[in-house]
Amino acid sequence: SYELTQSPSVSVSPGQTARITCSGDKLGDKYVCWYQQKPGRSPVLVMYQDSKRPSGIPARFSGSNSGNTATLTISGTQAVDEADYYCQAWDRIAVFGGGTKLTVL
Amino acid sequence: QVQLVQSGAELRKPGDSVTVSCKTSGYIFTNHYVHWVRQAPGQGFEWMGIVKPSQGTTRYTPNLQGRVTMTWDTTTSTVYMELGSLRSEDTAVYYCARESAFEGKEFDYWGQGTLLTVSS
Repeated sequence: SYELTQSPSVSVSPGQTARITCSGDKLGDKYVCWYQQKPGRSPVLVMYQDSKRPSGIPARFSGSNSGNTATLTISGTQAVDEADYYCQAWDRIAVFGGGTKLTVL
Repeated sequence: QVQLVQSGAELRKPGDSVTVSCKTSGYIFTNHYVHWVRQAPGQGFEWMGIVKPSQGTTRYTPNLQGRVTMTWDTTTSTVYMELGSLRSEDTAVYYCARESAFEGKEFDYWGQGTLLTVSS
């Protein structure tokens, strides 16, 4: 079965750039999206079709996908961005990465 | 505005079944598919299946085939997920999510989640 792999955690200082990666076999051939989930809340779509931002998502969020790796980049990270981030792609079924906990120190 | 409102928390015993509802509003019900996704405590997400009201079809993950049934009521714009032969491993928060109109089939709106606890 298809698998997506994420690093368990990423830490950044406020104002720095956070990069969250998601890897999978030939992932660049698929569309990747990203969800943000805060404790006790439902997920929120923050990036779709690799690099498109839904309405209402700040411009500091950007995305890319090539080869075997997709990356969610948060420029000028703010404390409000602290959350778990999950990548997702389709391989007959919806497949999710294991999630990355972003800590803003 | 688009909303997906789910039914409340449930407590069941092993072997029981449960039905969770997801009432949608703010969009044309048959214009979007609805998915069910679950998240075990402290874990990631598991896709359970898809409801396609416009096509009258459903599709489930092989892992749950035979135990899960998804239905819908177009008159009330509500989707239902029934899970049977419950086991402790089914303890999770269950979400319904609307599939976007985008090519990537992302989940653009989610319900608030329904906690199912399976315990004797």
